Amino acid sequence: GDSVTQMEGPVTLSEEAFLTINCTYTATGYPSLFWYVQYPGEGLQLLLKATKADDKGSNKGFEATYRKETTSFHLEKGSVQVSDSAVYFCALRDSSYKLIFGSGTRLLVRP
Amino acid sequence: EAEVAQSPRYKITEKSQAVAFWCDPISGHATLYWYRQILGQGPELLVQFQDESVVDDSQLPKDRFSAERLKGVDSTLKIQPAELGDSAMYLCASSLNREETQYFGPGTRLLVL
Repeated sequence: GDSVTQMEGPVTLSEEAFLTINCTYTATGYPSLFWYVQYPGEGLQLLLKATKADDKGSNKGFEATYRKETTSFHLEKGSVQVSDSAVYFCALRDSSYKLIFGSGTRLLVRP
Repeated sequence: EAEVAQSPRYKITEKSQAVAFWCDPISGHATLYWYRQILGQGPELLVQFQDESVVDDSQLPKDRFSAERLKGVDSTLKIQPAELGDSAMYLCASSLNREETQYFGPGTRLLVL
């Protein structure tokens, strides 16, 4: 079945460092891809999405490009802030329209 | 900005008791989802509604879990009897229709003692 694999955390960075969180997927067809963020004790917030190959999703300085050839959707940000500390989930929407999530990557940004 | 509402935010119960969670989706959203998130993992779908009809409950443990969305608006998820392994965050999400983006509520954190 469809699946999503994320790099394990935690990822610890200093403020203003460059961020990459790797995400790869296995799916039949070409699913829509998403990044959600979860702050402590809260639900998931949509960060960005891409619906077809070569699409780039972006929001709040975060970017991810849908790469069909490598089945990847890596999350990047050029300069992280302490307020970006959270758990980040990569997800795909399968043919039955449910979201399949990766296991999440915790990001800790130090001042 | 419209949001998905859930209550309660936290629930502590003893095993073998019954618990219920409530979700009010964003107004006008036809599709409603219940996910379960075990600590340290990503959410997994329990049940999906299109209006008042269940379209996917393949991962719902039907011997103890039930879900309803009687008028196609708000929804209730029930567990009876609760087991220790049910301790998790229960997340509700809604979307305008099945093809659109899902928006999540704040979740209900359940602890079964």
